[in-house]
Amino acid sequence: SAVISQKPSRDICQRGTSLTIQCQVDSQVTMMFWYRQQPGQSLTLIATANQGSEATYESGFVIDKFPISRPNLTFSTLTVSNMSPEDSSIYLCSVRTTASTGELFFGEGSRLTVL
Amino acid sequence: AQSVTQLGSHVSVSEGALVLLRCNYSSSVPPYLFWYVQYPNQGLQLLLKYTSAATLVKGINGFEAEFKKSETSFHLTKPSAHMSDAAEYFCAVSAGDMRFGAGTRLTVKP
Repeated sequence: SAVISQKPSRDICQRGTSLTIQCQVDSQVTMMFWYRQQPGQSLTLIATANQGSEATYESGFVIDKFPISRPNLTFSTLTVSNMSPEDSSIYLCSVRTTASTGELFFGEGSRLTVL
Repeated sequence: AQSVTQLGSHVSVSEGALVLLRCNYSSSVPPYLFWYVQYPNQGLQLLLKYTSAATLVKGINGFEAEFKKSETSFHLTKPSAHMSDAAEYFCAVSAGDMRFGAGTRLTVKP
């Protein structure tokens, strides 16, 4: 398994501002992903964070709105830019380890409320 | 492409009763299948996984699931519900990245 720390755990933000979420893993992992969970909804994959290169975004998500960095094998950031109330969600970092047989491990999530 | 469908957004059982949460999958390649649980204000915790070995998979907290290829199903069961099982349950399929079902909220009545 892997221990995943996300910061902040929650925040209240003003419309038009940006917020960066950090994800730190306690061991090297093969893949890192960012998911969004809107209130009362399931998880939607935003992007795959690629180490040392641009993230791979899913349909409906763009780099200008959700820039992602992954400078090394254990750390990634997701920025939610120019926020609106529709961005109020839980953002979850997840990883696949070298020992994994497909499963993902999740952080506790970052709960954002945009006013 | 792969996807999962969870039948029933809400399931309510009495404490001690059988828990059955339904999941059907669609995948163009042999899938890996998973069940996760999410307690309030927490991330997702892996309950169990199917990775093409035994079709009956046992997980944590007394849960198990059976992979049935002919029915494209991977239903989650537990013989006797506890109050602590109340949570949101997600079925997921992976053939590369992971896709989640809509989730089933389990309520356990005393």
